[in-house]
Order: sequence, then C-alpha cells, then structure tokens
Amino acid sequence: ETGVTQTPRHLVMGMTNKKSLKCEQHLGHNAMYWYKQSAKKPLELMFVYSLEERVENNSVPSRFSPECPNSSHLFLHLHTLQPEDSALYLCASSQEGGGRGLPANTGELFFGEGSRLTVL
Amino acid sequence: AQTVTQSQPEMSVQEAETVTLSCTYDTSESDYYLFWYKQPPSRQMILVIRQEAYKQQNATENRFSVNFQKAAKSFSLKISDSQLGDAAMYFCAYRRTWGGGADGLTFGKGTHLIIQP
Repeated sequence: ETGVTQTPRHLVMGMTNKKSLKCEQHLGHNAMYWYKQSAKKPLELMFVYSLEERVENNSVPSRFSPECPNSSHLFLHLHTLQPEDSALYLCASSQEGGGRGLPANTGELFFGEGSRLTVL
Repeated sequence: AQTVTQSQPEMSVQEAETVTLSCTYDTSESDYYLFWYKQPPSRQMILVIRQEAYKQQNATENRFSVNFQKAAKSFSLKISDSQLGDAAMYFCAYRRTWGGGADGLTFGKGTHLIIQP
C-alpha cells in the first residue's frame, strides 16, 4: 500500500447507527487531517492532528469524534448523525516542519480517495 | 481569516486549446503557499502545482503554469494543450507558511473543467 488509504469507500448508515471511518498513511508524515466535502461548498477542515497535538475545530458537532492512535492512523467515529452529514469525507496527511514557530515543510497535503457517507 | 474565491463554477475548452482558471484570496500574512489541486471523478485530490509567496517567479509544471500576482492576491492556473485527462474539478488552496500544520489548507469552491473533444 502506498500513499493515503481510506476505508470504507462507501458507507450508508441510519441516524441511530455508530460507525467509523479509517485512514492510514504510508508516507511517514507527522500530521493528519479530516476534511468534509459537500456539493457546491469549499472543503471544510474538521480536525487536525499535528505533531501529536490535536487541534480542535469548535464548529464540528460532537457527533463526530476523531481518534489518532499513532502518526500513521486516523479514525473518525460517527454516531447519531443527521442527513445533512451526508458528504465525502477526505483524509489527508503532511510532513510538518517541527512545531509551532517553524515553517511548514512543502505545505502540501496528500489526500486519500475519500469515504462517501450517506445518512438515511 | 483567510478566504479563497474561485469565481468560475464551470469552464469548457476544446482539446488542445489553452484555458485559464481564476483564483483570488485574502490574507494578512506575508508568507504563505498557494496550490492548485485536481480532483477527477475518482475523487482523489492530486496536487497540480505549488507556489511559495516569497518567490516572484511563477511556478510551472509541464503544461501547467500559474500567474501569481501577490499585490493583487491573484493566483490563476493556465493549462496549455488541454487533454481529455485534464477534465476534473480544480481547487485553489491557500496555506500560511508558519503554523505547524494546525491550519491545514483553505480551499475555494472549485471550478469544473470540461474538455471538449
């Protein structure tokens, strides 16, 4: 496996279900991200784990819960979602320069193919 | 907060012709990166080209080049000799240089590029 892989590619769930999205990066990067992509809207940054520090995004509802057990794996736990949460969820990774106060490396994010989520 | 604006929801070009996609952004930072990403129907976002704000020279990658106007906060993408495989959504993105990854990328809404055979 190379790059950033996401599973599952497609997920259909009811509003009362609990499911998880998984992301794995094989690039040796030290930062991982969750983005939400909805039609006709810019990609929305949901969560960042950078240099072992989680960055909260206060606008993300608590029904989305991230988990980053190590620098290679990232999960997005989903529970009691709403139909408006249906979207493409993209995972990305990057190599950061070493902490706040230091510049980003190339700045580039590497993306997975996404998980298409449908909430019924 | 930084914002990225792509004013063209859709563009169409004949195969082998040249097309330019527009992007403007707003920031108070002086050091930052700008990117163009491509998202084909397969959904994976792929980096097309990258520009560092401190560099005055416009970035080029084969048939892809940018026109970076820092004072105007403009960052357009020119695709020369368009090919059928260039058909995709194109996203302009911004990222400040200093931040340790906490900001991620800020994206525009995208431009859907259609290539006419």
